[in-house]
Order: sequence, then C-alpha cells, then structure tokens
Amino acid sequence: QQQVKQSPQSLIVQKGGIPIINCAYENTAFDYFPWYQQFPGKGPALLIAIRPDVSEKKEGRFTISFNKSAKQFSLHIMDSQPGDSATYFCAASGRSNYQLIWGAGTKLIIKP
Amino acid sequence: DAGITQSPRHKVTETGTPVTLRCHQTENHRYMYWYRQDPGHGLRLIHYSYGVKDTDKGEVSDGYSVSRSKTEDFLLTLESATSSQTSVYFCAITSGTGDGYTFGSGTRLTVV
Repeated sequence: QQQVKQSPQSLIVQKGGIPIINCAYENTAFDYFPWYQQFPGKGPALLIAIRPDVSEKKEGRFTISFNKSAKQFSLHIMDSQPGDSATYFCAASGRSNYQLIWGAGTKLIIKP
Repeated sequence: DAGITQSPRHKVTETGTPVTLRCHQTENHRYMYWYRQDPGHGLRLIHYSYGVKDTDKGEVSDGYSVSRSKTEDFLLTLESATSSQTSVYFCAITSGTGDGYTFGSGTRLTVV
C-alpha cells in the first residue's frame, strides 16, 4: 500500500510533442504528490507538486493532472524540448511531508 | 545546491575498507536522508534522520550506519565496503513543512 507505481520506464518523443508520465498509488492517506527532474550527474530537483484539493496544476510547460478517485497522477510536458531530456521521478507522502515514497523513474529523451 | 553539500564527490576504495560519506547542510532543516541510486532501481532509502541523534533505517540499510551529532551534518558509513555498494549516493534534506526535498550533487563510490 506504500508503493507508487510509475510508467513508462522510458519514453522517446519528438521535439514539440507532449510526453506523459503516469503514476498510481494505493494509500489514500497520501496528500502531497511532487515530481522531480534529474539530469545526468546531478541530484534530483523538485519540478512541480500538487495536493489533492485541485485536479490540475501548471508551471510553465509542465502540468500535473490529478485524479483522486482513480488514485493516479500524471506529468505532461507541453512543447517538449531536447533540454527536457532527463529522468523524471514521481513521489507521494502523507500529511507529515517528511517521508516521500518514490516511483521508479522514467528516462525521457526528446529527439530534435 | 548551495544549501547542501556532499563530500567527497568521487571515491574509489578497496573491498573491506571502511568508508564515510558526509552530507552538510546550511538550511537548518530537521530531516536528512541518504539514498543510493543504481540503474533500474531508482532511489532507495538507506537511512534517515529526524533530528540530532535521531535516526532510523530505510529499505536498504544492511551494511550501512549513520550518525548525526549536529543538525548540519549527517554521516553515512560503510563499515566494510563490498562491491555491491558501488553506487551513487545522494543526500537530501527537508524542513518537513511541504517544501519538498533538496538533494545534494551526489557521491559516486566505486568499491574494487
């Protein structure tokens, strides 16, 4: 019940396309859902996060869609660029916010 | 990230030797974490700390110990390094108030 399942493992998209990465969770006590972006040789960095009181959140070209009834959330990248090529991790935590449960990661490649 | 530094950045050590990795933060955050990252396994929690002298085990704690004698420093020790501990190690910090994690730049450890 503590798992966060992330898919796909890898994704290749042409420049300008809209890659979508999906995550599913079981624990209904989770109330914080961040996405992290990691470039090679760097640590993961917080990209965008959502709480279950909203169904969508946008920051620039990045959008999180949240479906509370289905216990799923996804990351969409609009007008994707080669510079978006990275590994993306979803995560979830409960009200305490100090213990994140991580998805397995998605390696995204944006082709020029 | 300027608020968290890991040392060393790279280390090669021999099987059976003890190794200590250091994580130093200037944010005065309560929570600190050690993760390892291996291909195909995402981020796996080794140990974490919720205050000075307060630590707990993560999912892959065997062969590792930690200490936190000051708020700013969290040390990870491999008592007797093995080749299976060759990995990239990341430290992360959070205040626990919903700001997400901040990761260090990582330590690449090779055990030969």
